[in-house]
Amino acid sequence: EAGVVQSPRYKIIEKKQPVAFWCNPISGHNTLYWYLQNLGQGPELLIRYENEEAVDDSQLPKDRFSAERLKGVDSTLKIQPAELGDSAVYLCASSVPGQGAGTGELFFGEGSRLTVL
Amino acid sequence: AQSVAQPEDQVNVAEGNPLTVKCTYSVSGNPYLFWYVQYPNRGLQFLLKYITGDNLVKGSYGFEAEFNKSQTSFHLKKPSALVSDSALYFCAVRSYLGSSYKLIFGSGTRLLVRP
Repeated sequence: EAGVVQSPRYKIIEKKQPVAFWCNPISGHNTLYWYLQNLGQGPELLIRYENEEAVDDSQLPKDRFSAERLKGVDSTLKIQPAELGDSAVYLCASSVPGQGAGTGELFFGEGSRLTVL
Repeated sequence: AQSVAQPEDQVNVAEGNPLTVKCTYSVSGNPYLFWYVQYPNRGLQFLLKYITGDNLVKGSYGFEAEFNKSQTSFHLKKPSALVSDSALYFCAVRSYLGSSYKLIFGSGTRLLVRP
C-alpha cells in the first residue's frame, strides 16, 4: 500500500515569492492534515480536512497561507508571499475515518522542506 | 491547555542497554497519549498509544510506554536498544478544541544508540 506522498521534497525560494506543496493521502483516508515543523520543534497543526471541508484551520495564517482539497483527495498548501520565517518542514498526514486525532493514528508523508532566502 | 513536555533534547545509550525517553503531560480530564518516531528523511511513524486500561502499553519495534497518572508521565522504554533505534521521538497528546480533535506534539528527543 502506498503511503502519503508529498512533493516537492525540497524547495528553495527567495522571500516574497510564492510556493506550493502537494499531498496525496493514503487511498480511503478521508481526513487530511497539514502540519508545520520548525527546526528542533514538534509538528504544529495548520489545517485539518474532513473530505473536502476544512474543519480546523484556526492555526493557519490566512494572510499568506491558503489550502485546498478539491474532490476530497489531494491537497495543496500555498504560501504567498513567503517570508524568511516560513523556512520549515511542511508535513502532510492522513487517517482513516473514525480514527486520526481521535485515536492518534496518523500516517505522515516525508515532508516538504522549505528554505526561504 | 493540553501540552506535553520532553525534558531531554538527546538521549545516548549503548546498544543492548535499556533505554528510556521521558515525557510529561498536562491535560484536563483523561489523557490520550501517543508516541511517534521520525527516522532521518522519513515521515513520522506511529509507535503506540495510551487511551485507557493497562498502564503499560506495548507498541511497534519492541517499544513500550508506561503511563503514570500520579507523576503525569508517559515514558517510552525498550529493554534492549538497537543501533537502528536511533531517531527522533515525539510524545503527543490529543486535544479537543472547538469541534475537533488534534494532536499536540512535544519538541522531540533525539535518541542515539552507539554500537
